Amino acid sequence: AQSVSQHNHHVILSEAASLELGCNYSYGGTVNLFWYVQYPGQHLQLLLKYFSGDPLVKGIKGFEAEFIKSKFSFNLRKPSVQWSDTAEYFCAVTSGGATNKLIFGTGTLLAVQP
Amino acid sequence: GAGVSQSPRYKVAKRGQDVALRCDPISGHVSLFWYQQALGQGPEFLTYFQNEAQLDKSGLPSDRFFAERPEGSVSTLKIQRTQQEDSAVYLCASSFGQISNQPQHFGDGTRLSIL
Repeated sequence: AQSVSQHNHHVILSEAASLELGCNYSYGGTVNLFWYVQYPGQHLQLLLKYFSGDPLVKGIKGFEAEFIKSKFSFNLRKPSVQWSDTAEYFCAVTSGGATNKLIFGTGTLLAVQP
Repeated sequence: GAGVSQSPRYKVAKRGQDVALRCDPISGHVSLFWYQQALGQGPEFLTYFQNEAQLDKSGLPSDRFFAERPEGSVSTLKIQRTQQEDSAVYLCASSFGQISNQPQHFGDGTRLSIL
């Protein structure tokens, strides 16, 4: 069965620090990869997605992620975080097949200190 | 509305009671998903509808869980004879098509607490 691993459960950074959140998945076939963000009190929102093509994808609010097929990884990065980036971040992969259900990691809670 | 709407936002029930959770997807969205999110975990898939057809219910944890989408729009997730382990946030998501690169749009969820 497919799975997604997020290695950092809690991350605390100061404003302007650089961010990298790790995500690894277990699936050898074609995958679609996503990062979702959940701000306090809000619903899950799509941050960025990778389907094919350029492995470096750019999302909203200055976030980017790099798909490295050989490492089964899809790490999220941001060069300089802001206090407003405080949120929980989820990496997810679609399972393929007829359902296209998302398989999520356990999430990373990011706290940015002003 | 512009987004996925779920009601109620919060539900408290006594163990053994039946509950019904509603999801109103984005208009025109063919695909509808239900997920369960336990505290400190990522969402886990429960079931999937394509229009009114329930094509995948492999994630439903027991036969106490039942979902329907009779007219291909609004969906209801029903839990019978609730137990404490059913306490979680139940998320609904919809997407426009049925291909894998269509992003899913999530509602705010229903937080279910079983006493």
